[in-house]
Amino acid sequence: IAGITQAPTSQILAAGRRMTLRCTQDMRHNAMYWYRQDLGLGLRLIHYSNTAGTTGKGEVPDGYSVSRANTDDFPLTLASAVPSQTSVYFCASSDVREPDTQYFGPGTRLTVL
Amino acid sequence: GQNIDQPTEMTATEGAIVQINCTYQTSGFNGLFWYQQHAGEAPTFLSYNVLDGLEEKGRFSSFLSRSKGYSYLLLKELQMKDSASYLCAVRDLPNDYKLSFGAGTTVTVRA
Repeated sequence: IAGITQAPTSQILAAGRRMTLRCTQDMRHNAMYWYRQDLGLGLRLIHYSNTAGTTGKGEVPDGYSVSRANTDDFPLTLASAVPSQTSVYFCASSDVREPDTQYFGPGTRLTVL
Repeated sequence: GQNIDQPTEMTATEGAIVQINCTYQTSGFNGLFWYQQHAGEAPTFLSYNVLDGLEEKGRFSSFLSRSKGYSYLLLKELQMKDSASYLCAVRDLPNDYKLSFGAGTTVTVRA
């Protein structure tokens, strides 16, 4: 693994189902983020974590939850998916030693029907 | 909340110069960032400004005026591969890594 990986690459999901998007980084970065990107709205922060064991709410947290049990992993869970959660989801990380740069994963394209 | 504005689309000719403007109104300011995103790919970091003035990196330059809440990204000697979306982002708090992004400007380079 090099950098940030996300899984799955894409997913079609029925409304009401539970879904976890996975994000793993191998750079030992302390901070991690989840964004969603929608046409015309840009990247919007869902949740973030400054260090393992802590999380915080971003701009659009409703309907999503996260956990940060260790440095490398930052899963995003949709407890009961709704069509408005159809989007492209990006995970990102940054480090206190290089605080001015966020590194992004390849993204997960999620469609909720 | 944060208010970050940039044009939706711009078109330019190969070899030309394009300037992408970004204006922001945020509760605080601790740096302005530019990211490049090719279609279907992840954003990648281009530049960072925290003090007023121009930062040059090869064909790309970024300018900041904190008093005006204004930045621009200048792309010189445009190449076809520069066709992408360019995202302006602001960090509003020190010791806080979170960024607020604008909606992005799609630049199309024509031959």
